[in-house]
Amino acid sequence: DAGVTQSPTHLIKTRGQQVTLRCSPKSGHDTVSWYQQALGQGPQFIFQYYEEEERQRGNFPDRFSGHQFPNYSSELNVNALLLGDSALYLCASSLGLGLAVVNEQFFGPGTRLTVL
Amino acid sequence: AQKITQTQPGMFVQEKEAVTLDCTYDTSDPSYGLFWYKQPSSGEMIFLIYQGSYDQQNATEGRYSLNFQKARKSANLVISASQLGDSAMYFCAMRDSSGNTPLVFGKGTRLSVIA
Repeated sequence: DAGVTQSPTHLIKTRGQQVTLRCSPKSGHDTVSWYQQALGQGPQFIFQYYEEEERQRGNFPDRFSGHQFPNYSSELNVNALLLGDSALYLCASSLGLGLAVVNEQFFGPGTRLTVL
Repeated sequence: AQKITQTQPGMFVQEKEAVTLDCTYDTSDPSYGLFWYKQPSSGEMIFLIYQGSYDQQNATEGRYSLNFQKARKSANLVISASQLGDSAMYFCAMRDSSGNTPLVFGKGTRLSVIA
């Protein structure tokens, strides 16, 4: 049973460029959430996708956008990269919405983005 | 708004000893869940243990137990019989009762287990 997978593992970009990160959820999961984890910090919620729609969004600018495909996989796009976007980007998958509070999120290994 | 505070940036523990990692939280929701995750150097967040706000007993999962004190708004993680493989970052997190809201994480505690 494959867990959450993310690609690429590492990425180096320069300021002003655009980047796309990819996530495949755990088998059987249909909801994908993205988190940004800056160095020395806990993960911060970016947004969540369910049924190919953005359902919730954290306090991130419009430069951060996403997409969910019919097979439940998801992309995170960041435009006009800033130095401060350097972080570990984590994808988490879960099953459905509105379930019990214990609805567990399974995390992928993350993509480490460095902006120079 | 929900907030998690982890006041211990780093902790050291001798192998085979027990260690407590502190977590306090703040929320106005009457029903919520508390989580602990382990993050090794590989980056993946590994779920360890969950405590619901209305659970009468403290949660336990193998060597992990959660010392839940609702009145003090604390949810400390206790790791018994520490192993070298326990060396990692540990994050406390919470969400409200809908289960659909994102997790709110603390800044984490780096645990180092010494042989």
